[in-house]
Amino acid sequence: DIQMTQSPHSLSASLGETVSIECLASEGISNYLAWYQQKPGKSPQLLIYYASSLQDGVPSRFSGSGSGTQYSLKISNMQPEDEGVYYCQQGYKYPYTFGAGTKLELK
Amino acid sequence: VQLVESGGGLVQPGKSLKLSCSASGFTFSSYGMHWIRQAPGKGLDWVAYISSSSGTVYADAVKGRFTISRDNAKNTLYLQLNSLKSEDTAIYYCARKDYYSVFDYWGQGVMVTVSS
Repeated sequence: DIQMTQSPHSLSASLGETVSIECLASEGISNYLAWYQQKPGKSPQLLIYYASSLQDGVPSRFSGSGSGTQYSLKISNMQPEDEGVYYCQQGYKYPYTFGAGTKLELK
Repeated sequence: VQLVESGGGLVQPGKSLKLSCSASGFTFSSYGMHWIRQAPGKGLDWVAYISSSSGTVYADAVKGRFTISRDNAKNTLYLQLNSLKSEDTAIYYCARKDYYSVFDYWGQGVMVTVSS
């Protein structure tokens, strides 16, 4: 199985700050990498697909980058509504696997 | 697009349960569908996939115990859960698979609790 190592486990950011979350795959996944945001008591929502493509309706302050085994999610201009848990997911090979999640809080 | 799960509840270890996911707002028969679960306070775990042509793939943890199926006439996805274990306790989400192998729409989830 492809292991997805996500870091950091948690972070806090001030309003307007830029933060980054990293995801390392145990083998190359050819950009089949997605990022999701989950708020308490809600189902996850797709933010980024194919490593860097922004899902419709997602604010442009979210961006994704990376290739091979290393990927990252950047959130520019942190807003209160960005609090939540963020997960990366590889869709290159079954079983699809997720990172352990990063909890983002507003400082 | 709307996905609505149902059928969850409290069940004893070793028993069975069948989850349903009613789909609307898109051509259900044209899309692959997934089940993903989340144990209380934990991360996300992919469970099973069924293609538009009803090919299936399972996570090792559920292979031989769970069965994913679909009824395109009813726009409904199913997950039959047999021989349930306490570690199957989780919120179960159905999700649509998009072209890039991601889950672009999710249901609200249904809770399954396995306990005596």
